[in-house]
Amino acid sequence: KQEVTQIPAALSVPEGENLVLNCSFTDSAIYNLQWFRQDPGKGLTSLLLIQSSQREQTSGRLNASLDKSSGRSTLYIAASQPGDSATYLCAVFGTASKLTFGTGTRLQVTL
Amino acid sequence: GAVVSQHPSWVICKSGTSVKIECRSLDFQATTMFWYRQFPKQSLMLMATSNEGSKATYEQGVEKDKFLINHASLTLSTLTVTSAHPEDSSFYICSARSGQDLYSNQPQHFGDGTRLSIL
Repeated sequence: KQEVTQIPAALSVPEGENLVLNCSFTDSAIYNLQWFRQDPGKGLTSLLLIQSSQREQTSGRLNASLDKSSGRSTLYIAASQPGDSATYLCAVFGTASKLTFGTGTRLQVTL
Repeated sequence: GAVVSQHPSWVICKSGTSVKIECRSLDFQATTMFWYRQFPKQSLMLMATSNEGSKATYEQGVEKDKFLINHASLTLSTLTVTSAHPEDSSFYICSARSGQDLYSNQPQHFGDGTRLSIL
């Protein structure tokens, strides 16, 4: 059974800092990995999707990497802003043909 | 692009009422739709997967007679919580994906969720 873990569970950084969120998964037989953000009381916004054959994807200040063999992904956020405050979820799509979500990292960017 | 609209965003109703939640893909054909449930400060739990024109596949432990799912078109799926009770109170989120393949590499796009409160 696929298990996805995110570290840290919560993170508070001052505005302008670069930061890294970590995601690990137990079964490396995945088709893709997605990073999402969730604002309080809202649904999920897709940030980046990395196919299993890819190593990284970039969108603006966000960069996600994938090391499938070691079961790890990172989400790098450059020059953080207060508007980046949210919960970040990673999810892997595997052989069960469904997304398995991580536990999430609650990010707060302070002024 | 890739907008998923979920309605209503908030429902408060009495115990015993049936509640219908709609999920629409506005600018793409959603071959597959997913329904999730989320408890406070927890991650999403998949309830069921539905393909257009087929019966939904429910996850273990999810009562199919309690949570009725209909996916009659490529742009609309509905979740009906039948005879809702306070323990059904939760945040329900739908998701939609295009692509025919069971293992489609298309991203999943999510609605804004429906907060259901049963009194």
